[in-house]
Amino acid sequence: QVQLVESGGGVVQPGGSLRLSCAASDFTFSNYGLHWVRQAPGKGLEWVAFIGYDGRNKYYADSVKGRFTISRDNSKNTLHLQMDSLRAEDTAVYFCAKDRLDRVITFGGDPESWGQGTLVTVSS
Amino acid sequence: DIRVTQSPSSLSASVGDRVTITCRASQGISNYLNWYQQKPGKAPKLLMYGASTLQSGVPSRFSGSGSGTDFTLTISSLQPDDFATYYCQQSHSLPLTFGGGTKVEIK
Repeated sequence: QVQLVESGGGVVQPGGSLRLSCAASDFTFSNYGLHWVRQAPGKGLEWVAFIGYDGRNKYYADSVKGRFTISRDNSKNTLHLQMDSLRAEDTAVYFCAKDRLDRVITFGGDPESWGQGTLVTVSS
Repeated sequence: DIRVTQSPSSLSASVGDRVTITCRASQGISNYLNWYQQKPGKAPKLLMYGASTLQSGVPSRFSGSGSGTDFTLTISSLQPDDFATYYCQQSHSLPLTFGGGTKVEIK
């Protein structure tokens, strides 16, 4: 049973930074691409970023490009999202998700297994 | 970006009803369409990928169809556990985009 546990959420002022982490277990972490997907309170789902299984390919939504950085540490089975220049509209629950397919060369399009999420609130 | 439009945004149904949710993409996406179920306070759960392939462990009362721009999720006989919000998502190209969701409520 795939396990993904997010941490690092909290309250931050506009313009501030936060680093989210996602600890993974019970699957071969280094074989799978990973996503961050967020959900503003009472709203729908918004894809944020994807990183390939080996960390070389990284893709971002336009809304976060240049402000957020996705990274992974395959030696520690951990995914990260560094969030800088935060805005009120970044307030959301952030989910990490494992892609369905392993060792995909381009990008993964199928977030299959999801963590429980961590809440980020950007407010003064 | 590919826009994904779901309808209806909400519906009321009774246990045992047949329920259909539709999803339309702004351009052809072949069968690169996923369906998720989300309950309040929980993470989304992948129900279907490739428009019509049931994810492991998902009950067979769920089915999906469609190709190109128009897709359908059908629940053949609604069960108490199925009251939730459903999202479609296109996996054809980046950025991945989701429909706005369909909330299925108890009549």
